[in-house]
Amino acid sequence: AQSVSQHNHHVILSEAASLELGCNYSYGGTVNLFWYVQYPGQHLQLLLKYFSGDPLVKGIKGFEAEFIKSKFSFNLRKPSVQWSDTAEYFCAVRGSGTYKYIFGTGTRLKVLA
Amino acid sequence: EPEVTQTPSHQVTQMGQEVILRCVPISNHLYFYWYRQILGQKVEFLVSFYNNEISEKSEIFDDQFSVERPDGSNFTLKIRSTKLEDSAMYFCASSDFGTGAYEQYFGPGTRLTVT
Repeated sequence: AQSVSQHNHHVILSEAASLELGCNYSYGGTVNLFWYVQYPGQHLQLLLKYFSGDPLVKGIKGFEAEFIKSKFSFNLRKPSVQWSDTAEYFCAVRGSGTYKYIFGTGTRLKVLA
Repeated sequence: EPEVTQTPSHQVTQMGQEVILRCVPISNHLYFYWYRQILGQKVEFLVSFYNNEISEKSEIFDDQFSVERPDGSNFTLKIRSTKLEDSAMYFCASSDFGTGAYEQYFGPGTRLTVT
């Protein structure tokens, strides 16, 4: 069965620290990959997406992610976090032949000022 | 920027009652979805809807659930007889056509509390 794993459930960082959030998926075919962010009290907002091409994708707010097909991974990175990045981050996968997303459990990031 | 909207933001209901959660997708989108997130758990797919019919549903989406697009703008999720375990945040999403269908736009969610 398709699944998505986010191994970091809670992350606490100081401002200016670097961030890497792990995402691994289990799916045998072609996939589209997404990272969504949910700020407190707000809706899920797309940070970045991978459909094809360059495996290093850049998103909004200085975030990037790298698709490593051999590792079934799509880790999210940001070189220097800000207090305003405090939010919950969700990795999601869409497999071929379906439109539904499979989500990971989410990672709560807290950035200390 | 167009947004998906959902009403109400919070609904409290008694076990056994029917509830209808409402969503207004982005106006030119063709695909519509419902997801739910039980507190502390992952976001789970419930159902997708296209061309006035269900295109895919999960095992969660049993006979107690139904979806409808009653007019050109609203998309609703009905739970006929709510259970305690239906308490969750329910997210509506919509997407465009073609490869645009692969990117979903989410609403802010409705928090359903069943007592």
